[in-house]
Amino acid sequence: KNQVEQSPQSLIILEGKNCTLQCNYTVSPFSNLRWYKQDTGRGPVSLTIMTFSENTKSNGRYTATLDADTKQSSLHITASQLSDSASYICVVRGNTGGFKTIFGAGTRLFVKA
Amino acid sequence: DVKVTQSSRYLVKRTGEKVFLECVQDMDHENMFWYRQDPGLGLRLIYFSYDVKMKEKGDIPEGYSVSREKKERFSLILESASTNQTSMYLCASRRRLAGEGEQFFGPGTRLTVL
Repeated sequence: KNQVEQSPQSLIILEGKNCTLQCNYTVSPFSNLRWYKQDTGRGPVSLTIMTFSENTKSNGRYTATLDADTKQSSLHITASQLSDSASYICVVRGNTGGFKTIFGAGTRLFVKA
Repeated sequence: DVKVTQSSRYLVKRTGEKVFLECVQDMDHENMFWYRQDPGLGLRLIYFSYDVKMKEKGDIPEGYSVSREKKERFSLILESASTNQTSMYLCASRRRLAGEGEQFFGPGTRLTVL
């Protein structure tokens, strides 16, 4: 069964600190993996997309990594800001069967001053 | 910028009422989606539409129907609302099925069924 699991479920950090969010998936064959940020009361917005051949991709203070062999991805946030408080959702797209898209349950990040 | 709008941010309805959720996108995208989002669960696909007048069931279509009469508009219909349909509903659009597949989301409608 195709699944996407994220950890931790929630995380509290102090402003200025770094953090890493994890995503493990079983979707196969694999097409791409996206990280979305969802602010409270808003729809998700794409941060990064990674395909099979990519190991690392950055978007400002956000850096995503992908290990396609172990089917793991991480999202690293550097020098966190209060505005980083949000849910971060890992989304994996398969490569067959209509390019099925599987959403993780998300990690809820709280950044405190 | 792609803009996806949803007709209501918050809705409160009573059990048995017929509920319409409207979604409009302004980027001429072929694909449109309706999801529901519940705490502890990932977004779950209710219905999607490849193009005008086309629709496909997602993972949890029971209790819902959809309509896509125009390319920019995708409506979700709850024929007879029930309390277990209390949820956040998200609409999304995408340029085409193949390729990188970024979906652009609306702000969501939080529906409460009493």
